[in-house]
Amino acid sequence: GNSVTQMEGPVTLSEEAFLTINCTYTATGYPSLFWYVQYPGEGLQLLLKATKADDKGSNKGFEATYRKETTSFHLEKGSVQVSDSAVYFCALTPRVGGATNKLIFGTGTLLAVQP
Amino acid sequence: KAGVTQTPRYLIKTRGQQVTLSCSPISGHRSVSWYQQTPGQGLQFLFEYFSETQRNKGNFPGRFSGRQFSNSRSEMNVSTLELGDSALYLCASSPPGANVLTFGAGSRLTVL
Repeated sequence: GNSVTQMEGPVTLSEEAFLTINCTYTATGYPSLFWYVQYPGEGLQLLLKATKADDKGSNKGFEATYRKETTSFHLEKGSVQVSDSAVYFCALTPRVGGATNKLIFGTGTLLAVQP
Repeated sequence: KAGVTQTPRYLIKTRGQQVTLSCSPISGHRSVSWYQQTPGQGLQFLFEYFSETQRNKGNFPGRFSGRQFSNSRSEMNVSTLELGDSALYLCASSPPGANVLTFGAGSRLTVL
């Protein structure tokens, strides 16, 4: 079946540190991959996405590359800020016969950035 | 441009009652999906509607149902509430031809 595995948190970093949150997936075919972010008391916001192998999604300094050979989509940022503190979710949409917007999420990784 | 609007934002029910949650998608979006978020199970897909038709359904009991109206607004209903139904229920909409979801702020349901 389809599934997403994320590194467990919390991840605690100092401001300006380098961030990596690991994400691997299991899926049939070629899924689309996403990172969503959830700030306290809010819904989810799309951070970035990639729809095919070797695509790099990027937004607000965050990047992730769709690696088919390792079935991974790790999230990185070169210099985190306190305002990046949130829960980050890796997700996929499976490629099925018909159209779908069904998302399969990982468990989420809490990031806490200290000043 | 207005975002996805969910009502009510917070509600408290008792076991055995039923609840209806509402979602107004972004104008022009015809696909609406619902997700349940709990600390134990994380984010789980409930169902997806497109042009008033259920396109996909997650692995939830029949107590969970939904529908979509001709203006793309959607409702979900949970009958015979159980304590385990306490969760944040998130609605998301997507424009035609693009599998990019915009989420609402959610409806937080507490079952006592």
